[in-house]
Amino acid sequence: GESVGLHLPTLSVQEGDNSIINCAYSNSASDYFIWYKQESGKGPQFIIDIRSNMDKRQGQRVTVLLNKTVKHLSLQIAATQPGDSAVYFCAENLDFSGGYNKLIFGAGTRLAVHP
Amino acid sequence: DAGITQSPRHKVTETGTPVTLRCHQTENHRYMYWYRQDPGHGLRLIHYSYGVKDTDKGEVSDGYSVSRSKTEDFLLTLESATSSQTSVYFCAISVGGRTEAFFGQGTRLTVV
Repeated sequence: GESVGLHLPTLSVQEGDNSIINCAYSNSASDYFIWYKQESGKGPQFIIDIRSNMDKRQGQRVTVLLNKTVKHLSLQIAATQPGDSAVYFCAENLDFSGGYNKLIFGAGTRLAVHP
Repeated sequence: DAGITQSPRHKVTETGTPVTLRCHQTENHRYMYWYRQDPGHGLRLIHYSYGVKDTDKGEVSDGYSVSRSKTEDFLLTLESATSSQTSVYFCAISVGGRTEAFFGQGTRLTVV
């Protein structure tokens, strides 16, 4: 089926520690994945993306890892800061014939950063 | 906010009344989407559009209709609102294909 899920609904970390948020997907044909951050009262914001021909991509303080063998991706946040507290979603891009596509989102993981 | 405006931002309506939410973009992107967000369900796709007058259903389209008469506007209509449609609605836009979607600020709809 078409589904994207997350292993941990809530993750609590100490400020300065590294955070790892996991996501499992079920559609092996998906070739593009995105991580979004959503702060309270706001819409989701793009963090980083990765295509299926890659297994790792780094941004500023964030790294996304993709393991196609087990259909798993993770978001790593280095030196987590209070401003990183939010809900994080992974999304899977599904392409359809005719050039159309849609994003399927997981339920989200709440990251709580404690001083 | 990538040039996306949702209106209204908040609305309270009574069961059985029609409601229309508007999404306006200034980016001239081809793809526009309506999602609803509910606790425990994440973001679920209601309808999407891949061009003017070209729309299709998402995974939770029952009770909703959409229209896109201009590139910049994508309207979501609840013909007869029900309490189960109480939710936060997000509009998103994308160039299409393997590109990220940009989201609006959301509309909080309460059906009483």
